[in-house]
Amino acid sequence: GAVVSQHPSWVICKSGTSVKIECRSLDFQATTMFWYRQFPKQSLMLMATSNEGSKATYEQGVEKDKFLINHASLTLSTLTVTSAHPEDSSFYICSASSDRGYEQYFGPGTRLTVT
Amino acid sequence: EDKVVQSPLSLVVHEGDTVTLNCSYEVTNFRSLLWYKQEKKAPTFLFMLTSSGIEKKSGRLSSILDKKELFSILNITATQTGDSAVYLCATPKGAGSYQLTFGKGTKLSVIP
Repeated sequence: GAVVSQHPSWVICKSGTSVKIECRSLDFQATTMFWYRQFPKQSLMLMATSNEGSKATYEQGVEKDKFLINHASLTLSTLTVTSAHPEDSSFYICSASSDRGYEQYFGPGTRLTVT
Repeated sequence: EDKVVQSPLSLVVHEGDTVTLNCSYEVTNFRSLLWYKQEKKAPTFLFMLTSSGIEKKSGRLSSILDKKELFSILNITATQTGDSAVYLCATPKGAGSYQLTFGKGTKLSVIP
């Protein structure tokens, strides 16, 4: 149980384009979903927290107009990187938790490369 | 500010060795402590600990929490090369929050 999927697992896009990453909880209802990014050999950096049906809460320094997060249902959240630049290249990971506990279950991650 | 400190930051052992990874924490409104294993991809959940002194076990891995001394340990017995990973511990932030404060992780390398 507690499986989280992400799609795509790997994406290359050109500078200036937008990329959408999907995060799904497959066997539980995720009342809260989190989006992280991770640079090589560094720790996870929380970008934003989203609760189903409400606006995401962004961490300080994260541009909400650049990283659009939608959590439209209890099993799906999306992160759209708008007008991507090479410095947005990173490993993006989502996680999900239900209202039954504080453990977060992580998706497998999406590696974004912006050329 | 909540703080989670892991030690050692890296560790190299031979297959078959037993290792102990440490995690100390300073958080307000402590609720639980979580351990994750991160290999090349995203972290995978190992344990969640909420009560002192009760060992959680999964195969060769086990973990225990000491809420008086504010630390947890993760033990791995008879290590295998597949145990090589970064091990992260984390605790939820303030009251009502599901956000996690992560430690920097312990990088474990198991050599044949």
